[in-house]
Amino acid sequence: KNQVEQSPQSLIILEGKNCTLQCNYTVSPFSNLRWYKQDTGRGPVSLTIMTFSENTKSNGRYTATLDADTKQSSLHITASQLSDSASYICVVSAGSGGSYIPTFGRGTSLIVHP
Amino acid sequence: EPEVTQTPSHQVTQMGQEVILRCVPISNHLYFYWYRQILGQKVEFLVSFYNNEISEKSEIFDDQFSVERPDGSNFTLKIRSTKLEDSAMYFCASSPRDRGYEQYFGPGTRLTVT
Repeated sequence: KNQVEQSPQSLIILEGKNCTLQCNYTVSPFSNLRWYKQDTGRGPVSLTIMTFSENTKSNGRYTATLDADTKQSSLHITASQLSDSASYICVVSAGSGGSYIPTFGRGTSLIVHP
Repeated sequence: EPEVTQTPSHQVTQMGQEVILRCVPISNHLYFYWYRQILGQKVEFLVSFYNNEISEKSEIFDDQFSVERPDGSNFTLKIRSTKLEDSAMYFCASSPRDRGYEQYFGPGTRLTVT
């Protein structure tokens, strides 16, 4: 069964600090891995998308890594801001040819304190 | 910037009633999706739709659910006879033809079944 596990479940950091969120997955056949940011009561917003051949992708202060051999990904947030407080969701999709079945992780709840 | 819109933002219905949730995907997108998120739980895939037919569906998407693209802009999710456990946030998403994995989510409809 395809699964995506995220850690930690929640994280509290001070504004300006860096943090790293983890994602482990067992999804086959692997198609792509996405990190989303979800504010409370809102729809997820895509941060990064990585396919099998990519091992790092940056989007501003967000940097995602992918190790397809160990089936692990991380999301590193640099110089955190109060607006980074949200749930960060790792989504891994199986499939190909235009059909992508996503498996969502439970998310890491990040709280940034001033 | 174009975005996915959903209506209504909140729907309250009585158990056993039919509800229709509406979505307007981004205009040049060709893949459409419905997801749900029960309060406090992870996002779950329901169904994907392409070329006027269902391309994938999860085991959650049973006979009480149906989807339709009644015209060139709307994409609907119908729940025929709602149950208490259908209470959730329902997200619509769409993606472009050449990047089916790049899903753009709407703001969601909160469905409350009483």
